[in-house]
Amino acid sequence: QQQVRQSSQSLTVWEGETAILNCSYENSAFDYFPWYQQFPGEGPALLIAIRSVSDKKEDGRFTIFFNKREKNLSLHIKDSQPGDSATYFCAASVSGGSNAKLTFGKGTKLSVKS
Amino acid sequence: AQTIHQWPVAEIKAVGSPLSLGCTIKGKSSPNLYWYWQATGGTLQQLFYSITVGQVESVVQLNLSASRPKDDQFILSTEKLLLSHSGFYLCAWSRDWGEETLYFGSGTRLTVL
Repeated sequence: QQQVRQSSQSLTVWEGETAILNCSYENSAFDYFPWYQQFPGEGPALLIAIRSVSDKKEDGRFTIFFNKREKNLSLHIKDSQPGDSATYFCAASVSGGSNAKLTFGKGTKLSVKS
Repeated sequence: AQTIHQWPVAEIKAVGSPLSLGCTIKGKSSPNLYWYWQATGGTLQQLFYSITVGQVESVVQLNLSASRPKDDQFILSTEKLLLSHSGFYLCAWSRDWGEETLYFGSGTRLTVL
């Protein structure tokens, strides 16, 4: 059973467009949702994160929209740039405990064409 | 500033041979440490975590073992590699007890032939 699901394996947008990456989850206890960005041959890096008490988190061109009732969230990348081409992982965890056990989705590979 | 260094960058090994991968964290005392595995083009699977020297918890059974011999060092190993061990191994750390943000190293690409 896939606890965190990303709806698209890949997504292609043109430079300047808004890329929308979708994610849904099964476990109602999840309350922390980070998005990680990974370039080929590198480790993932935290891009932006949201807690379940919020419905929106914005950081520059990156915005997370969160719907607790529907158990889904999306990452919007405004004014996409070729440098944003990477794989984006949605993840989720339950706060507390000694193990930061993030459950990751399978990732969405974003390609931004110029 | 904290830095995380993984070694080696890449390995090509034969089935049945032993393996040892390592990572070192500098600039943070008593970090929580993690090993993740990523199949090519796949998701990240947590393998082990450690909150203190000498203490390692296994999350999944993949015929691998981990040890934390020093506060800043985490080792992943096996006596006998399988083809299924191929992939990208990532070491990560988090700041404190319950801190969810993970900081990943640059990984080790393992190919088992």
